[in-house]
Amino acid sequence: AQSVTQPDARVTVSEGASLQLRCKYSYSATPYLFWYVQYPRQGLQLLLKYYSGDPVVQGVNGFEAEFSKSNSSFHLRKASVHWSDSAVYFCALIGGYGGSGNKLIFGTGTLLSVKP
Amino acid sequence: NTKITQSPRYLILGRANKSLECEQHLGHNAMYWYKQSAEKPPELMFLYNLKQLIRNETVPSRFIPECPDSSKLLLHISAVDPEDSAVYFCASSPWDWANTGQLYFGEGSKLTVL
Repeated sequence: AQSVTQPDARVTVSEGASLQLRCKYSYSATPYLFWYVQYPRQGLQLLLKYYSGDPVVQGVNGFEAEFSKSNSSFHLRKASVHWSDSAVYFCALIGGYGGSGNKLIFGTGTLLSVKP
Repeated sequence: NTKITQSPRYLILGRANKSLECEQHLGHNAMYWYKQSAEKPPELMFLYNLKQLIRNETVPSRFIPECPDSSKLLLHISAVDPEDSAVYFCASSPWDWANTGQLYFGEGSKLTVL
């Protein structure tokens, strides 16, 4: 069965510090992987995606993620966080394809709080 | 994202009937309803492609989707239950969006059941 695990429900970092949000997935092959951000009272916005190629993918606003097949992981990183990065971050994979369309399966999310 | 508009944004109901509306101006063929309960991730409810219902993710029968055209999606709700309190997101995409990541979400309609 396909699943996504985000082990950290909450992460607090100081502004300017580096960040890593963890994501582990379970899938029989290499899945399409995504990171989304959700700001308060808003819908989800795509940060970055991965399917193949360079395991380090760049996204918007200085975010990047690294895919590891051996660890079944897709961790999100940022070198220096800003207070405006405070939001909920969801890792997701596509768990259904073809004629039934692409169904996203989300992890439970990580609430990031950036202290000034 | 002003290209996917949802209405109403906030909704408080007793056991009344109501409909949520969504319209996208992105030219996408696929439209979705997701439910996000408090402090939970979004969960897919329905997926339409070219006005045809493709996925129904075992949603209670009091939720009835309707797709009158490819740019509009409705969610009719009857006799709501307190467990229905959530934010309902509309989303749209090209049919096969995996490679491009082109799945876009509206800002949601927050339903509170009294």
